[in-house]
Amino acid sequence: QKEVEQNSGPLSVPEGAIASLNCTYSDRVSQSFFWYRQYSGKSPELIMSIYSNGDKEDGRFTAQLNKASQYVSLLIRDSQPSDSATYLCAVPSGSARQLTFGSGTQLTVLP
Amino acid sequence: DAGVTQSPTHLIKTRGQHVTLRCSPISGHKSVSWYQQVLGQGPQFIFQYYEKEERGRGNFPDRFSARQFPNYSSELNVNALLLGDSALYLCASSSSTGGGRETQYFGPGTRLLVL
Repeated sequence: QKEVEQNSGPLSVPEGAIASLNCTYSDRVSQSFFWYRQYSGKSPELIMSIYSNGDKEDGRFTAQLNKASQYVSLLIRDSQPSDSATYLCAVPSGSARQLTFGSGTQLTVLP
Repeated sequence: DAGVTQSPTHLIKTRGQHVTLRCSPISGHKSVSWYQQVLGQGPQFIFQYYEKEERGRGNFPDRFSARQFPNYSSELNVNALLLGDSALYLCASSSSTGGGRETQYFGPGTRLLVL
């Protein structure tokens, strides 16, 4: 089992819809979770971090964490074509708490 | 404030050569991590340095080495390049290490192509 798994996609949603991105992790002691957005040919950009069970909202983005189910998700409301990118879920692990990434979900928002 | 900077942005090498990639962290950040990202995958951890000491090493061969300087900048060295080393090399900085809550901020990356 991979340490961090994401629904591989690709995922396509129409403009204005809600995009839902999912991630599961295997390390039960993980305390923090990060979502990065990566445009094609660019480096990852942090969009959300979450540490506690429940929801965390930032503008059109909502991160949801369920530690009992080892599940974290990212919702993008009112999706825009500019949201088209690969979304990476990352969880600190290992002795240095380095980030372990999922393989990413490619999102396309159709105008 | 300037973000994480990396140089060069692109690099073409041939098999067997060696390469040195450079990274300057965000001002005030003392921790630098290196990641390798091949096409279609998430970044894979290579090294982490904090206060010039290696704090973590990923599952990469000894051909990969790194160091951190007193000004917290860092170099990643790869010897005896293989075709499979072609990837985007990412540097990330954070304010400290340990605990796991520190946010890592990525530089623009160095795209390495090995022919």
